Amino acid sequence: AQKITQTQPGMFVQEKEAVTLDCTYDTSDPSYGLFWYKQPSSGEMIFLIYQGSYDQQNATEGRYSLNFQKARKSANLVISASQLGDSAMYFCAMREGMEGTGNQFYFGTGTSLTVIP
Amino acid sequence: EPEVTQTPSHQVTQMGQEVILRCVPISNHLYFYWYRQILGQKVEFLVSFYNNEISEKSEIFDDQFSVERPDGSNFTLKIRSTKLEDSAMYFCASSPTGGARAFFGQGTRLTVV
Repeated sequence: AQKITQTQPGMFVQEKEAVTLDCTYDTSDPSYGLFWYKQPSSGEMIFLIYQGSYDQQNATEGRYSLNFQKARKSANLVISASQLGDSAMYFCAMREGMEGTGNQFYFGTGTSLTVIP
Repeated sequence: EPEVTQTPSHQVTQMGQEVILRCVPISNHLYFYWYRQILGQKVEFLVSFYNNEISEKSEIFDDQFSVERPDGSNFTLKIRSTKLEDSAMYFCASSPTGGARAFFGQGTRLTVV
């Protein structure tokens, strides 16, 4: 089974609107971390947001928030007030195990977001 | 903000040649990783490195690949006898604690011809 599933290969959003990018994960480890990265056309991977499995609150970083629903094993990224510069590929990723284990990140297939002026 | 630096940004090599991809992780980080991304596909884990040894590797990371931290700052990925299917973007990443966040470099685009 896939560790990370992103079911939206492409999404469009109007500038200044909010958009939700879906991510579901699969793990039997009670300790894990969930991440979102942005990859613009230039290719670099930019960290956006992190959610630990034991975190009680949903993570927020500026215009980014992570809608963490543990029972559903989902970790959707919400981008508020979309900007043209948000157009990029977005990858959801998971690390199994506690912090400090150095375990690998599993990545999803990505969602291509296009912001329309 | 400190960053992970990778060189070169783009390398073209002939099939069968050896390449070395270089990375300078963030200075106080303890965990180091190599990932690759074949064009249009997802990011795949290759290897993680901690305390001067490989801590985990994927099935992709076979005898063709090796990693080294030759001088305490650089972290290199060597690919021996490159194949066409090795063409990909290779990302180096480092993490202070092996957990909450991995900082990725800007990538090296390897093209094998």
